[in-house]
Amino acid sequence: LAKTTQPISMDSYEGQEVNITCSHNNIATNDYITWYQQFPSQGPRFIIQGYKTKVTNEVASLFIPADRKSSTLSLPRVSLSDTAVYYCLVGAKQAGTALIFGKGTTLSVSS
Amino acid sequence: EAQVTQNPRYLITVTGKKLTVTCSQNMNHEYMSWYRQDPGLGLRQIYYSMNVEVTDKGDVPEGYKVSRKEKRNFPLILESPSPNQTSLYFCASSFLGQGGEKLFFGSGTQLSVL
Repeated sequence: LAKTTQPISMDSYEGQEVNITCSHNNIATNDYITWYQQFPSQGPRFIIQGYKTKVTNEVASLFIPADRKSSTLSLPRVSLSDTAVYYCLVGAKQAGTALIFGKGTTLSVSS
Repeated sequence: EAQVTQNPRYLITVTGKKLTVTCSQNMNHEYMSWYRQDPGLGLRQIYYSMNVEVTDKGDVPEGYKVSRKEKRNFPLILESPSPNQTSLYFCASSFLGQGGEKLFFGSGTQLSVL
């Protein structure tokens, strides 16, 4: 399984756009990229998932360059409630394999 | 409401006393898994199950057992708990969507082993 590397922490202010980059140099052809958000004492929550190029939903955008060795989660106009830990996962396009969450990126949003 | 339900939410026990943490999902998902979360270590997978009666080890399976006798239930069993198993535990169910696997997590079980 591809190992991922993310910044340990990031700080931002309300209203700013936040970009969190994840490196996955050993990503395999069948691997997809998924981001989860976790608030303290809660289980992680699915944010967005993609395989290549750009994916956008009502919460975030995910940018994946052509070589797929990295990906960037973009959160537009963050608010205090976006303070959380964000995890980047890389896994095969099949369920059941052991997913590795890593330590994630702690995003702190201030007013 | 679609959800993954874990019980209990909090559990304090003593070393060696067998315990079971239950997990149930109502989304008819094929796949289920257990994770533990420790400060500074992130989430680590303990066991996962691809279907009824099909389970496999994750990253940190030592000291844990699981069973999947029904599709909706996936209990985590600690036969002889030890203090190093004090942790926050999460159960998840998942399905294989168009892009790949998507996990849905329970609210967690905070376990303290004295």
